[in-house]
Amino acid sequence: EVQLVESGGGLVQPGGSLRLSCAASGFTFSEHYMDWVRQAPGKGLEWVGRIRNKANSYTTEYAASVRGRFSISRDDSENSLYLQMNNLKPEDTALYYCSRRTYGHNSPSDYWGQGTLVTVSS
Amino acid sequence: DIQLTQSPSFLSASVGDRVTITCRASQGISTYLAWYQQKPGKAPKLLIYGTSTLQSGVPSTFSGSGSGTEFTLTISSLQPEDFATYYCQQLNAYPITFGQGTRLQIK
Repeated sequence: EVQLVESGGGLVQPGGSLRLSCAASGFTFSEHYMDWVRQAPGKGLEWVGRIRNKANSYTTEYAASVRGRFSISRDDSENSLYLQMNNLKPEDTALYYCSRRTYGHNSPSDYWGQGTLVTVSS
Repeated sequence: DIQLTQSPSFLSASVGDRVTITCRASQGISTYLAWYQQKPGKAPKLLIYGTSTLQSGVPSTFSGSGSGTEFTLTISSLQPEDFATYYCQQLNAYPITFGQGTRLQIK
């Protein structure tokens, strides 16, 4: 059974940093691109970024709203995905989901975790 | 960035009704469009990808169509479990974007 479990969320002050983790199981993690998607309270879905697999050099893409502040990485030996968030702003407050992309460059997300909540407030 | 505009934003319907949700893209996205369903407190669930391909396990009452800039999600006969919020997502170009969502409520 495919499982994605996010962790690392919490309350952080503006300007602070946080590192989110996503533990994957039930599939060959190393083969898949992975995404982070967030959802502010009561709002819609916002794509945060993507990391490709080793065959595609682990390259990354980011939304403009987080580029330069957030960084996505992965450890295939640990079946884990990470989101390093620096210089956090109140508008980064959201539930953060990790998701697995199906195969292919234009593929959708077929499995999602349950999310971890990040609150940026003084 | 490619903007996706869903209409309507809110939809009230009854069990058994046929409903259609439209997603319009600000520029052509070929057929790289997916639809997700989200229920309160839950993660999104993939329904349709590649505009019209039904994800495994999704009932055949759901269907998708379109190309270029206009796409539709149709539910042919609403079931009680279908009342949720629906999002379209374009996968043609970065940044990947979502529509603002359509909340489907029971009439």
